[in-house]
Amino acid sequence: GAGVSQSPRYKVAKRGQDVALRCDPISGHVSLFWYQQALGQGPEFLTYFQNEAQLDKSGLPSDRFFAERPEGSVSTLKIQRTQQEDSAVYLCASSPARANEQFFGPGTRLTVL
Amino acid sequence: KQEVTQIPAALSVPEGENLVLNCSFTDSAIYNLQWFRQDPGKGLTSLLLIQSSQREQTSGRLNASLDKSSGRSTLYIAASQPGDSATYLCAVNWDDKIIFGKGTRLHILP
Repeated sequence: GAGVSQSPRYKVAKRGQDVALRCDPISGHVSLFWYQQALGQGPEFLTYFQNEAQLDKSGLPSDRFFAERPEGSVSTLKIQRTQQEDSAVYLCASSPARANEQFFGPGTRLTVL
Repeated sequence: KQEVTQIPAALSVPEGENLVLNCSFTDSAIYNLQWFRQDPGKGLTSLLLIQSSQREQTSGRLNASLDKSSGRSTLYIAASQPGDSATYLCAVNWDDKIIFGKGTRLHILP
């Protein structure tokens, strides 16, 4: 079956622009996660959904970052007024249930000029 | 707070050698531990997953061990090949999130 997909794969934004990154999890997976990976670093947790409920957003770096999963499937990570330090790869992962293995998408590489 | 540390940060070895990558974590209350491979500019490839109740997992030339009580895991790669060159990431599933180490950059010399 299909894995986790993300779009766009690459995004270039001018500083100050808003961006929206999409994640399509594996069908039926209840849990969905967003991670941010800066160049040369390991991925860092941003936020976690159980169905449509956002249970943990402790990793979101600022109030410019917003994530939603309104119908419990597709999720969107939105970054408002992008800054250069937002440049990173944004990874999405899904899991069939809490504490199960997480399956990662290919990521969206965001470059803010 | 959970912290994951990987040693060494980088490693170069001649082809054919066996090698060990190390991972340590500070909070033993983990659900599982996973080793990933990441090639430059690419996504994450899951190599091995060890549940908290398990001691080791094997896949081909790879063997991962877990000592939860001491907060340690090792990834053993046998008979290394140039195609094994990549960054290897250790990650623990803790408090409903995955906490990653910074990775070990492995270079296998032909």
